[in-house]
Amino acid sequence: SQTIHQWPATLVQPVGSPLSLECTVEGTSNPNLYWYRQAAGRGLQLLFYSVGIGQISSEVPQNLSASRPQDRQFILSSKKLLLSDSGFYLCAWNAQRSLGSGTQYFGPGTRLTVL
Amino acid sequence: GEDVEQSLFLSVREGDSSVINCTYTDSSSTYLYWYKQEPGAGLQLLTYIFSNMDMKQDQRLTVLLNKKDKHLSLRIADTQTGDSAIYFCAERGSGAGSYQLTFGKGTKLSVIP
Repeated sequence: SQTIHQWPATLVQPVGSPLSLECTVEGTSNPNLYWYRQAAGRGLQLLFYSVGIGQISSEVPQNLSASRPQDRQFILSSKKLLLSDSGFYLCAWNAQRSLGSGTQYFGPGTRLTVL
Repeated sequence: GEDVEQSLFLSVREGDSSVINCTYTDSSSTYLYWYKQEPGAGLQLLTYIFSNMDMKQDQRLTVLLNKKDKHLSLRIADTQTGDSAIYFCAERGSGAGSYQLTFGKGTKLSVIP
């Protein structure tokens, strides 16, 4: 069965510090991968998605970036965090093929607090 | 672009039925989903329905889809305190490249003991 991991689970960082959040998927190959941010326990904002290694699409211009160095690894980074980067970051995956439900499966999330 | 709307809050008494409503704008939606998010956790898929279906039932959950009105609902029978969570409606468009889902802002369900 497929599982998705995120770490760390929680993170407190000072303004201006760098960021690296990691997401890995097990039990599937060539998934689509997604990074979302959820602010104040509310709606999901799609930040990045990737359909393959090295292929990243950005949905929202910001000081965050994403990378996919391996098929089942997705990394969210920042060189200098802002207060507004605080939130709950969720990684998700779904199957590449357009056939089927396209259901996205979510990781447990990372709670980021920027002070 | 596509839009998905939900009311933000719903409060019900334990044992009653809960009905969470959602409207969407994309007439080419192929699948529609309900996710549950408990505090501090990721989103958990509850159920999904294909757009050519009107209803889907799974134990205490009933999903109704009115494609003409672009209206989706989730009914939870015999609501329990463990059902307290945020419920997200989502839709997927058509087309080979439509991997992405569009999510509503979520409905916070509070169950009163």
